[in-house]
Amino acid sequence: KAGVTQTPRYLIKTRGQQVTLSCSPISGHRSVSWYQQTPGQGLQFLFEYFSETQRNKGNFPGRFSGRQFSNSRSEMNVSTLELGDSALYLCASSLGWSTGTGAVGELFFGEGSRLTVL
Amino acid sequence: GESVGLHLPTLSVQEGDNSIINCAYSNSASDYFIWYKQESGKGPQFIIDIRSNMDKRQGQRVTVLLNKTVKHLSLQIAATQPGDSAVYFCAETYSSASKIIFGSGTRLSIRP
Repeated sequence: KAGVTQTPRYLIKTRGQQVTLSCSPISGHRSVSWYQQTPGQGLQFLFEYFSETQRNKGNFPGRFSGRQFSNSRSEMNVSTLELGDSALYLCASSLGWSTGTGAVGELFFGEGSRLTVL
Repeated sequence: GESVGLHLPTLSVQEGDNSIINCAYSNSASDYFIWYKQESGKGPQFIIDIRSNMDKRQGQRVTVLLNKTVKHLSLQIAATQPGDSAVYFCAETYSSASKIIFGSGTRLSIRP
């Protein structure tokens, strides 16, 4: 079973540009979450999508946006890049959220897209 | 590999000893807790979880302890091996939420 795939793995942009990152979840997973990871701030939640709907959003400016397609693939976009946006962007997929006995917290992470803003 | 975090607290443990990694969580409404392991250059990987109606759960070589009174979580790794070298994150969420919040992480270093 293929894991979570993120593209591109590495990219370099300059301030003011915009970037789009892609995430293909594990087959059958309908929930996709995005996180930003930096040495200073750790893993920060960006947003979560389920069946094409954004269900939750973290405390990031409007420059950060995302979407999910009908096949559960997801993209996130960062516009007007700033130096501080340099980070590892991680995508995670899961079956979804349940109050039952399922492992709701079992997120499966990709290896991330490392963005450097110059 | 790439560094996950440059300013993480580090726990150094002798190979074969037991490791205990501690975490304080923030939200008293959280009712589900998870430990993740992140190796260099990889995304975090699920280790074990525990619900708030439990205070202990065991897996293979790992045990998670939950103390809701003081909002404290710990991960115990038995007979620590070189492959356990990684950054460990605790995470929390609650049933009606659709997001998991991660703690700041602890780097586990194994001495031969």
